[in-house]
Amino acid sequence: NAGVTQTPKFRVLKTGQSMTLLCAQDMNHEYMYWYRQDPGMGLRLIHYSVGEGTTAKGEVPDGYNVSRLKKQNFLLGLESAAPSQTSVYFCAIRSGWNTGELFFGEGSRLTVL
Amino acid sequence: KNQVEQSPQSLIILEGKNCTLQCNYTVSPFSNLRWYKQDTGRGPVSLTIMTFSENTKSNGRYTATLDADTKQSSLHITASQLSDSASYICVVSARAGNNRKLIWGLGTSLAVNP
Repeated sequence: NAGVTQTPKFRVLKTGQSMTLLCAQDMNHEYMYWYRQDPGMGLRLIHYSVGEGTTAKGEVPDGYNVSRLKKQNFLLGLESAAPSQTSVYFCAIRSGWNTGELFFGEGSRLTVL
Repeated sequence: KNQVEQSPQSLIILEGKNCTLQCNYTVSPFSNLRWYKQDTGRGPVSLTIMTFSENTKSNGRYTATLDADTKQSSLHITASQLSDSASYICVVSARAGNNRKLIWGLGTSLAVNP
């Protein structure tokens, strides 16, 4: 999964705490995505960005905020973590809008107690 | 409702054997279909992307087929290796005006045993 780096890889939070996940890419792609993956469910899109300075809501945006101040970085923030946000979070990038291949990061496992 | 269903849910085969994974979808309007491989603890990795006009596409020992009429796809793995143990996820892209929406299946968990 070279080209997409997620930090941190693991984090444990208490309910109500805040944190930020960082996704960094070195492939100069326009499109960046944040997904969550939970047992028994397909990947669900949280937020995405079609370019520097732009963000948009996905399927499950509530409780999350994002920013894309620089083209290479896409940040996912949890202002007040809840146990329902315990999940594995994946960042992905894509070169094109339709048939462009998605490249995923290694994932960030977040546990909210 | 746009849905992607995969079968079987899990599969165990012996090393060297072939297997076929199925994907049925009810996605409209269809844009393309993708197969991803996800190793445990890793992010998904793209195997193939198939558009409406493509019936078969190969990537090494992986061969994907698409029947747009019956809305079915299959992923055939030939001469399986231990490293093929992973989850295989079918994803269908739906057109929504100028946008595209990806509908993810739940995946088939494949275990290849020696």
